[in-house]
Amino acid sequence: EDQVTQSPEALRLQEGESSSLNCSYTVSGLRGLFWYRQDPGKGPEFLFTLYSAGEEKEKERLKATLTKKESFLHITAPKPEDSATYLCAVQAADSGYSTLTFGKGTMLLVSP
Amino acid sequence: GAVVSQHPSWVICKSGTSVKIECRSLDFQATTMFWYRQFPKQSLMLMATSNEGSKATYEQGVEKDKFLINHASLTLSTLTVTSAHPEDSSFYICSARDYRSNQPQHFGDGTRLSIL
Repeated sequence: EDQVTQSPEALRLQEGESSSLNCSYTVSGLRGLFWYRQDPGKGPEFLFTLYSAGEEKEKERLKATLTKKESFLHITAPKPEDSATYLCAVQAADSGYSTLTFGKGTMLLVSP
Repeated sequence: GAVVSQHPSWVICKSGTSVKIECRSLDFQATTMFWYRQFPKQSLMLMATSNEGSKATYEQGVEKDKFLINHASLTLSTLTVTSAHPEDSSFYICSARDYRSNQPQHFGDGTRLSIL
C-alpha cells in the first residue's frame, strides 16, 4: 500500500527564516511526486511535479528536491503570504488513472 | 493556467436531503475527474475516479449508491450525495486532468457540506 508521511505537522517561522518540509514515501514504483499548496477553505494549488531521484524544481522562494525515499520542500526567506498547508502526494507507476495518495500536510505559519 | 470550477462552495441542508455538487473544467478537456473528501486536519481521501462517458470507479469503503457520480461531458462531472446524514458533513473537493497530456491534477476550491 502506498504511504506518504509529512513532517512536521505544523511549523511556525519568522519572516525571512528559511526551513524545509519533509515528505517520506513508500510506493510500488514512483511515477511522480507532487507538491500542492492549500489555503484554508480552498482546494489544493499545484506547485511542482518531480519524477526521478536527484531532480530539483524551483518557483520563487520554494525549491523541491527528490530522493528515492523522500522529498523536501525548501522555503527560502519566507513571507507571511507563504502561510498555508503544503501537501505532498505520490502517483504510483501502476496507477491506472493516475490517482494520487496524499500526506496529511504541513501547516506553515510565517509571522511578520 | 488550468482552472477547475466547483459549485456550490457551501451547502447547509437538513438530514435526508440529496445534494448535488458540480465540477467543471473551464479551459481544458477533463478526460478524468476525481472526487475527494477531506476532514479537518486530515489528508485528502480519494472517493472515486470517473472517466468521461464511463461509470465511476469507487474506492474501497465508498458506497456507490450513496455517492452518485456522473461524468457526461469532457468539462462536467457531478457528485450527488443521496439522503445525506450528519456523518456525511465534510469538505468535498474535485480535481480534473486530461490524461492525453502530461498535466497534473488541477483542483476545484471545494464544497463545504453541512448536514443538520
